[in-house]
Amino acid sequence: QKEVEQNSGPLSVPEGAIASLNCTYSDRGSQSFFWYRQYSGKSPELIMFIYSNGDKEDGRFTAQLNKASQYVSLLIRDSQPSDSATYLCAVNTGNQFYFGTGTSLTVIP
Amino acid sequence: DVKVTQSSRYLVKRTGEKVFLECVQDMDHENMFWYRQDPGLGLRLIYFSYDVKMKEKGDIPEGYSVSREKKERFSLILESASTNQTSMYLCASSLPPDRGRLKAEQYFGPGTRLTVT
Repeated sequence: QKEVEQNSGPLSVPEGAIASLNCTYSDRGSQSFFWYRQYSGKSPELIMFIYSNGDKEDGRFTAQLNKASQYVSLLIRDSQPSDSATYLCAVNTGNQFYFGTGTSLTVIP
Repeated sequence: DVKVTQSSRYLVKRTGEKVFLECVQDMDHENMFWYRQDPGLGLRLIYFSYDVKMKEKGDIPEGYSVSREKKERFSLILESASTNQTSMYLCASSLPPDRGRLKAEQYFGPGTRLTVT
């Protein structure tokens, strides 16, 4: 079983809609959870991190963490074409980071 | 502003050559990482280092070695490049997790796209 699993997509949403990205992880000892955005040909860019159960909001982005169910999600409100990218979920356990393979998001104008 | 830099954005090498990829961070981070990223396989950890002169193997260390002589610099070495090492190489750094702070964000450099012919 992989440490971190994501639906690879592709996920398509119309401009202005809410995009919902999901991730599950296997290690209950995981401490920190991250979402990265990666444009084609570029390196991952950290956009959200969350450490506690519940929701964390930053602008149009909301990260949600449920440790009991071992999932973390990212909501993007008012999606824009510039949000079209691959979104990587990452989980920190000790000194290591484990990444999902990413979900490709396309926002249709 | 966080900054991780890598020595080259694009690199073309021949099979059998020894290849050095350099990574420098200016955030005084203890932990540094080397990943490779291939389509459909995601990010795979090659090596990481949690202190100067310390290193740990990741998931795919075969054919690679690393060097960390200074805190800010972490080098990846391909001892004898092969075509299956053609990939995007990403360096990252982070602070170690801390119970009180829990801040362990990891930041990436721009990447080096290596082609081995």
